Amino acid sequence: AQSVAQPEDQVNVAEGNPLTVKCTYSVSGNPYLFWYVQYPNRGLQFLLKYITGDNLVKGSYGFEAEFNKSQTSFHLKKPSALVSDSALYFCAVRPSTSGTYKYIFGTGTRLKVLA
Amino acid sequence: DGGITQSPKYLFRKEGQNVTLSCEQNLNHDAMYWYRQDPGQGLRLIYYSQIVNDFQKGDIAEGYSVSREKKESFPLTVTSAQKNPTAFYLCASSPWMNQPQHFGDGTRLSIL
Repeated sequence: AQSVAQPEDQVNVAEGNPLTVKCTYSVSGNPYLFWYVQYPNRGLQFLLKYITGDNLVKGSYGFEAEFNKSQTSFHLKKPSALVSDSALYFCAVRPSTSGTYKYIFGTGTRLKVLA
Repeated sequence: DGGITQSPKYLFRKEGQNVTLSCEQNLNHDAMYWYRQDPGQGLRLIYYSQIVNDFQKGDIAEGYSVSREKKESFPLTVTSAQKNPTAFYLCASSPWMNQPQHFGDGTRLSIL
């Protein structure tokens, strides 16, 4: 079965420290990979995507993600965390071989940046 | 500005009542989606539509119904058959397979 895993329900990091939010996936074929952020009582906002090409993808608000095909991972990173980065983060995948527009989401990771 | 509009922001349902959540997009996207979000469970797909007048069940379609009569609109009806409707409902759209989804700001549904 195709799936996305975010192994950590919550990640705590001190302001100014680097942060990593983990995502691994299991899909057939080459994946299209996405990260989204959600603030309280709001919809999801797109951060970045990997389609093909360079394994390091840069996105909005200083976030980046590294695609690792051998480890089937797409971890979200930021060199220096801000308190305002505190939110819920979702990883999503769309199999490129799929004939549908269906996306598969992870269960989300709550990021808390401590001042 | 292009985007997705969900209304109402808050909705209350009485026992035995059907309620309809609105979702409108002006992004000219082909595909539209409805998700249910419960605490600690991430997003679960209810229904999706890839084209006008066609839609498919997602993972938790029981107790819900949709229509797609226009490209811009994808309303969701929560029927009385849905015994636990209290949740945050998100509508999304997407243009093509390798593009991200755009999300509305959600409707929070509660039981009276």
